[in-house]
Amino acid sequence: DTAVSQTPKYLVTQMGNDKSIKCEQNLGHDTMYWYKQDSKKFLKIMFSYNNKELIINETVPNRFSPKSPDKAHLNLHINSLELGDSAVYFCASSQGPGGYTFGSGTRLTVV
Amino acid sequence: AQSVTQLGSHVSVSEGALVLLRCNYSSSVPPYLFWYVQYPNQGLQLLLKYTSAATLVKGINGFEAEFKKSETSFHLTKPSAHMSDAAEYFCAVSTYNTDKLIFGTGTRLQVFP
Repeated sequence: DTAVSQTPKYLVTQMGNDKSIKCEQNLGHDTMYWYKQDSKKFLKIMFSYNNKELIINETVPNRFSPKSPDKAHLNLHINSLELGDSAVYFCASSQGPGGYTFGSGTRLTVV
Repeated sequence: AQSVTQLGSHVSVSEGALVLLRCNYSSSVPPYLFWYVQYPNQGLQLLLKYTSAATLVKGINGFEAEFKKSETSFHLTKPSAHMSDAAEYFCAVSTYNTDKLIFGTGTRLQVFP
C-alpha cells in the first residue's frame, strides 16, 4: 500500500494548457507539500498545507494553485503551462519536522 | 534561515572503495538532518536521519552519517561501495520551527567496476 501516491507519473502537454497533478497520503500525516525538481536536479519547496490550510507559498507564480480538499489530499493545478514548468514534481507528507515521506514524482514535460 | 552545502557535485569511486559524500549545514537552531537517495527516474528514498538523538546514525544499505556540531557537518559514508549505490544523493535540513525540508544541490555518485 503506497504511503504517498501521485498521479499521473508522466504528463506531456502543450504550452498554454491547464493540467492537474493529484497526491494522496495514507499515513495520517497533518502536513503535505509540493516540491519541484528542476533539470539540474535541484529540489525546492513550492507549497505546504497543514490540515487543509496553506502554510508555505514560496514565491511560486500564481498560475500554480494547490488545493487540499482534506488532509489526506493535496492536488496541484497549473494554468497556462510554460516551457519552464517542465520538471519533476514531488508530493510529500510529514507529521512534524523529523520525518518526511515523498511520492514517486510526476515528470511534467511541456512542449 | 537554514541551508545545506554539498561539496562535490560528482563523486566517483571504485567498487569496494570507501564512499564519502560531504554535507555542511547552517542553522541558527538545532537542526534535523537527512540524507535521501534518488535512483535514475525514481523518487526520493530516505537513507537516514538525525533528529537530536545519537550523533552517529546508521541507515539503510550500509550507509551511516555522523553529526558533528563543531564542524557543522553531516557527511555520509559507506565502507565499501557497490555498483547498485550509483545514484544522486541529497542532504537536507529542517528544524523544529520550520516545517519544510531544505535540500542541498545533490551529489552524483558513480561506482566503477
